[in-house]
Amino acid sequence: GENVEQHPSTLSVQEGDSAVIKCTYSDSASNYFPWYKQELGKRPQLIIDIRSNVGEKKDQRIAVTLNKTAKHFSLHITETQPEDSAVYFCAASKAKGNTGKLIFGQGTTLQVKP
Amino acid sequence: GAGVSQSPRYKVAKRGQDVALRCDPISGHVSLFWYQQALGQGPEFLTYFQNEAQLDKSGLPSDRFFAERPEGSVSTLKIQRTQQEDSAVYLCASSLGPNTEAFFGQGTRLTVV
Repeated sequence: GENVEQHPSTLSVQEGDSAVIKCTYSDSASNYFPWYKQELGKRPQLIIDIRSNVGEKKDQRIAVTLNKTAKHFSLHITETQPEDSAVYFCAASKAKGNTGKLIFGQGTTLQVKP
Repeated sequence: GAGVSQSPRYKVAKRGQDVALRCDPISGHVSLFWYQQALGQGPEFLTYFQNEAQLDKSGLPSDRFFAERPEGSVSTLKIQRTQQEDSAVYLCASSLGPNTEAFFGQGTRLTVV
């Protein structure tokens, strides 16, 4: 079945610096790649997603890149702020066969130091 | 409601007890997912519904876990004869359909003592 690996598990940056989190997936049929942010004790919330027909997507300080050949995708956060501190999860899914289930990575704990 | 609602928020069960966890998805959402999230880990897929049909239950860890969505709206995850390893946060999510944004509930934190 699908497997998603996420690195690093923890990331500490100074406020204003950039942060990059990387994920690889195993199933070449995957075609939807969302990123979720989860603050302590709260629900995961979608921050950005990308589909396989696009190589890059940007939303203000957040961008995601996708390399289908290498089967990896990355989250880029620029000009980090203390409120960006949270756990970030990547995920992958495919629509074939009416599944659509999301397979999550293990998570990255991002700490932004003021 | 405005979002996915789960109840109860917290549940303490004695080992061997049966529990039922409820999920109210966003109205009109066809897809509904249940996930199990252990402390410090990513959500692990349990099962998926499209309307009332349970299309994928490959993630249910044992036959003690059972989920239903009889009318294609509210869903219940039932765990029979709970064991300590069942302690986790159980998340429900719904979406309009496959490969669309999945909205998560606040989760039910289950502690088996």
